Amino acid sequence: DVKVTQSSRYLVKRTGEKVFLECVQDMDHENMFWYRQDPGLGLRLIYFSYDVKMKEKGDIPEGYSVSREKKERFSLILESASTNQTSMYLCASSFQGMGYTFGSGTRLTVV
Amino acid sequence: SQKIEQNSEALNIQEGKTATLTCNYTNYSPAYLQWYRQDPGRGPVFLLLIRENEKEKRKERLKVTFDTTLKQSLFHITASQPADSATYLCALDIGGGGADGLTFGKGTHLIIQP
Repeated sequence: DVKVTQSSRYLVKRTGEKVFLECVQDMDHENMFWYRQDPGLGLRLIYFSYDVKMKEKGDIPEGYSVSREKKERFSLILESASTNQTSMYLCASSFQGMGYTFGSGTRLTVV
Repeated sequence: SQKIEQNSEALNIQEGKTATLTCNYTNYSPAYLQWYRQDPGRGPVFLLLIRENEKEKRKERLKVTFDTTLKQSLFHITASQPADSATYLCALDIGGGGADGLTFGKGTHLIIQP
């Protein structure tokens, strides 16, 4: 089975901190994605990448950046965490035209 | 922009009956549509994918239909069980290649009552 591993299940950070969320997949998928999920708003796409060193903005990229230096790893960076970035963050990967495999999520709280 | 509506926030079904969930979309014609299951505190799990040229797809007790004229997909769970209780999400891919990110509906919370 393909596995998508997110480095932390729960994270608490202070306002203004730089936060790194790491995601690793083990199935050689080209495509990787970062979503956030909030009650009443559903899943929203932050950034995605279809190749190493490539990145594309999703629907809500403001306040975030990403890094993909290796095919299996896709990092989400909160440059200066704010309380409105408190959310569940979900990483996913996929092969072209196939279903997504999601990680278990990181519940981030910014205080 | 693409808008996706799932028929209700919550759906209560008696065990053994067929649960039918609806996904409607506007503005674009997706190359394919996917359904996911999500349990509380977990990431979504992929269930089925149906392409625009397919009318129906089945997997065990699951069936998905895709009507591009009505801009609607129906997701059926036959012989429903309490273990099927979860939130079910539909998602659309417009580009067809899967590389541009899926747009998700907000989900339907399905409760199967014993």
